[in-house]
Amino acid sequence: EAQVTQNPRYLITVTGKKLTVTCSQNMNHEYMSWYRQDPGLGLRQIYYSMNVEVTDKGDVPEGYKVSRKEKRNFPLILESPSPNQTSLYFCASSLLGLSGPSYEQYFGPGTRLTVT
Amino acid sequence: DAKTTQPPSMDCAEGRAANLPCNHSTISGNEYVYWYRQIHSQGPQYIIHGLKNNETNEMASLIITEDRKSSTLILPHATLRDTAVYYCILPNYQLIWGAGTKLIIKP
Repeated sequence: EAQVTQNPRYLITVTGKKLTVTCSQNMNHEYMSWYRQDPGLGLRQIYYSMNVEVTDKGDVPEGYKVSRKEKRNFPLILESPSPNQTSLYFCASSLLGLSGPSYEQYFGPGTRLTVT
Repeated sequence: DAKTTQPPSMDCAEGRAANLPCNHSTISGNEYVYWYRQIHSQGPQYIIHGLKNNETNEMASLIITEDRKSSTLILPHATLRDTAVYYCILPNYQLIWGAGTKLIIKP
């Protein structure tokens, strides 16, 4: 079954304790991205990747890192989490066309992060 | 900022057609209209997209006006599981998410 998986699904942590949220897709998609969703602010893109070793900032990259060492995986790293990073996080993937990513994107189930 | 306008909420009776409008009066000639939905706190799900012709798939139909300034997503026989927030999107190098329409299907 074609899918995007995220782990963990729920995480409660403390300020400053480094954490990684994993994202994996089994569709051989070139494009992957991370979003956060907050009440009243909608989904906002954090980082995206067009292919292995190619990553770029989205609209709200501060406080986050990503890496793309393998095509299927795109982990989101919070080196020193703060309470304002408490949010619902989604990973997405799609094929890459000649002019950019396909907008028919597949989303993971979400990771609800709480930073105290 | 999202370039689309949608009503914040709508109700529909189970088994009836749900018609969700979207206004995109500033759409340019080569911009597609995409629709996604998000069932409570789950990952968004792609529904359908179109340029100027009407489109239909197993989930929904998309009707785009001739001037392309608005569109309507139609769920032909809504079920309780269709309760979700529906987003109408004009992508611009990325999906740009507005507030969407919260559709509540009532028994």
